[in-house]
Amino acid sequence: AQTVTQSQPEMSVQEAETVTLSCTYDTSESDYYLFWYKQPPSRQMILVIRQEAYKQQNATENRFSVNFQKAAKSFSLKISDSQLGDAAMYFCALWGNNRLAFGKGNQVVVIP
Amino acid sequence: DAMVIQNPRYQVTQFGKPVTLSCSQTLNHNVMYWYQQKSSQAPKLLFHYYDKDFNNEADTPDNFQSRRPNTSFCFLDIRSPGLGDAAMYLCATSRGSGEQPQHFGDGTRLSIL
Repeated sequence: AQTVTQSQPEMSVQEAETVTLSCTYDTSESDYYLFWYKQPPSRQMILVIRQEAYKQQNATENRFSVNFQKAAKSFSLKISDSQLGDAAMYFCALWGNNRLAFGKGNQVVVIP
Repeated sequence: DAMVIQNPRYQVTQFGKPVTLSCSQTLNHNVMYWYQQKSSQAPKLLFHYYDKDFNNEADTPDNFQSRRPNTSFCFLDIRSPGLGDAAMYLCATSRGSGEQPQHFGDGTRLSIL
């Protein structure tokens, strides 16, 4: 079975500051992919960033970057220079063994 | 713009009355997924189609069924909705298998009276 754990239900960050969301996972697969998805209130879920497990280099997308620690099975998301539009629920997800497993999500609140 | 469209955004039905939710895509993706998402919870996969091949999750109730008449459309049928089926239902697509990013629709929020 694959599990994804996000242990901080809500995180607050001051506008322009940096926030890091933690995610740990467990899988027996050697070939898997990790994702962070963003779900704003009443809006569609969108992909933030994707990491292939076989790549050592951490993925980055503009202000979003990950810290992928394969041995520790950790996949944290860093949001730099936080903006009001970053306020959303963020889900960590793992694709392996032909299925996508989601964590329970982190609610990010951005304080003006 | 290419996208995943779900209709309606909000659906109200009566306890036990069949309801159908629809999803269409202009991305020409092979795979279409249906998720159930209850308040403050992670999306839960109900089933998916890889082209015409239907893949049901082991714990999806028999009450939930799906149809995919062509590449663009996929339907979720709930035969006899119970109060516990009230949730947001998300449709998603991906090109090829699931290691590719999934593209989500806005969701349909289902309420049961």
